[in-house]
Amino acid sequence: GAVVSQHPSRVICKSGTSVKIECRSLDFQATTMFWYRQFPKQSLMLMATSNEGSKATYEQGVEKDKFLINHASLTLSTLTVTSAHPEDSSFYICSALDSLSGNTIYFGEGSWLTVV
Amino acid sequence: AQRVTQPEKLLSVFKGAPVELKCNYSYSGSPELFWYVQYSRQRLQLLLRHISRESIKGFTADLNKGETSFHLKKPFAQEEDSAMYYCALTTGGGNKLTFGTGTQLKVEL
Repeated sequence: GAVVSQHPSRVICKSGTSVKIECRSLDFQATTMFWYRQFPKQSLMLMATSNEGSKATYEQGVEKDKFLINHASLTLSTLTVTSAHPEDSSFYICSALDSLSGNTIYFGEGSWLTVV
Repeated sequence: AQRVTQPEKLLSVFKGAPVELKCNYSYSGSPELFWYVQYSRQRLQLLLRHISRESIKGFTADLNKGETSFHLKKPFAQEEDSAMYYCALTTGGGNKLTFGTGTQLKVEL
């Protein structure tokens, strides 16, 4: 099946710095990707919908200036956590919509972010 | 707003026993319902969707609009079924998934 790859899988950064997480669809083009956040033992919470060539659509309560999303190509979306704080530490998961295979959504393996 | 509820955080069954993972939803319209599975150290993957009305790995799920439920069932649990299962829905023909909190299924020998 289709593969979505996230990089890095784990990252540690210092408070106040920014960190970028990449999400790539490896064998299909994805005009739409999604970014989720998951706290331990909790559900996946949708943060934003990333649209190729246009601005991302953020869910209520998600700070767009803090979580910058760029979807510059049909196979790549990036999430940049700006001015990271320890409370931003979490598991971030992306998914990509394959519109040519019945709108199937494929998930990345997730990225662990630890802010120290 | 829509909501998905999975009342059990952990479900433990013996191999060969029937399995039922509960999922209830709240949404005033007609949602599309899904079950996703996450095996240990693997990514989330689609198990089945209600519009397909198919059986995957022996699992089935029927959408009950009256009870707003989409319970996942399998008549005989296998050890390899041990995983985290998430119920999810989309609304209005869109693709934004709303997830439940998940149920950890543990199949014991």
